[in-house]
Amino acid sequence: KAGVTQTPRYLIKTRGQQVTLSCSPISGHRSVSWYQQTPGQGLQFLFEYFSETQRNKGNFPGRFSGRQFSNSRSEMNVSTLELGDSALYLCASSAGRVGDGYTFGSGTRLTVV
Amino acid sequence: AQKVTQAQTEISVVEKEDVTLDCVYETRDTTYYLFWYKQPPSGELVFLIRRNSFDEQNEISGRYSWNFQKSTSSFNFTITASQVVDSAVYFCALSGGATNKLIFGTGTLLAVQP
Repeated sequence: KAGVTQTPRYLIKTRGQQVTLSCSPISGHRSVSWYQQTPGQGLQFLFEYFSETQRNKGNFPGRFSGRQFSNSRSEMNVSTLELGDSALYLCASSAGRVGDGYTFGSGTRLTVV
Repeated sequence: AQKVTQAQTEISVVEKEDVTLDCVYETRDTTYYLFWYKQPPSGELVFLIRRNSFDEQNEISGRYSWNFQKSTSSFNFTITASQVVDSAVYFCALSGGATNKLIFGTGTLLAVQP
């Protein structure tokens, strides 16, 4: 079965712009989570969506937002980009039960210049 | 608060050596889950194993084995007869309570030299 698909794979944006990243989970999975990976902070949880509702949120500013559609696909948006937002953004899907493992996508590498 | 510590930042071994990656965790939850993921240079996190807090049985899968000890809050990962293809960053992670949020360690970069 198809894995988790993230688009685009690479992105270069200018400070102050906004960006939207997309994630298609494994078919049948209703939970989608987003993580940010940077050399300095490591892997940090952004948020989790389950059945179109945000179920958990990490400690990120309000510039980071997300949503989930009825087909479980998810998007995350970052507004007013800062240089520090440069990171690998990973999407992960799961069936949504507590303790379920996550299957991760290949990520979107965002560079802010 | 939940925390995962991977004290080894980088490990370099020669092919066919055995190597153990350490993971120590902190949590107040009585029910929790521990994971290991592998991240090759391509960036994708590849799931290796999940254990729940009630199952302390060690597990072996081919050249990989995991040792879970609640008494020392550790969940160590051993690769036997390492191969160059094992070169990657390995992350230990924890989730617990009523959430699926994963708390990751800082990762261990394993370099296997031919």
